[in-house]
Amino acid sequence: GAVVSQHPSWVICKSGTSVKIECRSLDFQATTMFWYRQFPKQSLMLMATSNEGSKATYEQGVEKDKFLINHASLTLSTLTVTSAHPEDSSFYICSATPLAGHSGELFFGEGSRLTVL
Amino acid sequence: AQSVSQHNHHVILSEAASLELGCNYSYGGTVNLFWYVQYPGQHLQLLLKYFSGDPLVKGIKGFEAEFIKSKFSFNLRKPSVQWSDTAEYFCAVSSSRGYQKVTFGTGTKLQVIP
Repeated sequence: GAVVSQHPSWVICKSGTSVKIECRSLDFQATTMFWYRQFPKQSLMLMATSNEGSKATYEQGVEKDKFLINHASLTLSTLTVTSAHPEDSSFYICSATPLAGHSGELFFGEGSRLTVL
Repeated sequence: AQSVSQHNHHVILSEAASLELGCNYSYGGTVNLFWYVQYPGQHLQLLLKYFSGDPLVKGIKGFEAEFIKSKFSFNLRKPSVQWSDTAEYFCAVSSSRGYQKVTFGTGTKLQVIP
């Protein structure tokens, strides 16, 4: 099956610093990747749709200057949390779907847990 | 806008008991429906999906789900659960016009007691 990998799996940073999370599709190409945020005991909230070679599409209420997304290639999307604050602490999950086949199934990364002190 | 409602937040069952997890969705058009599962410490993975055709969909590990259009429901069932089914289950929906935007329910934690 298709594999999506995220790095780092967990990160702790000081308030005010920026953190970059990578999402890679290891064995397939993806023109579109998705970034989700999951709060404890809550659902996955779609933050943005990352499109290769173009600007990301952000969901309502998600600050695009706060959560910078770059999709530079068909196998890599990055999410940078800028000037992180404790309220940004969360579990961030990316997903992707292959260009062909798999009938719309999303493949998820293992998630990245961010803790901002 | 589409939304998904999962009625049970936490379900505890004994092994061999039957399972049914409720899922209702709200969307004005035709939909694709999914159930994803997240085992402890693992990625989310697809359990089963409905795009069209037979409304009774069979997935992996003996799970099935039935799409009832009139009720806007896509309930997940398994006749006899095992301890290894302990996980969190998410119902999800997307527009059939484009699968990209997938909306998830809040999830149901299933705990199976040996």
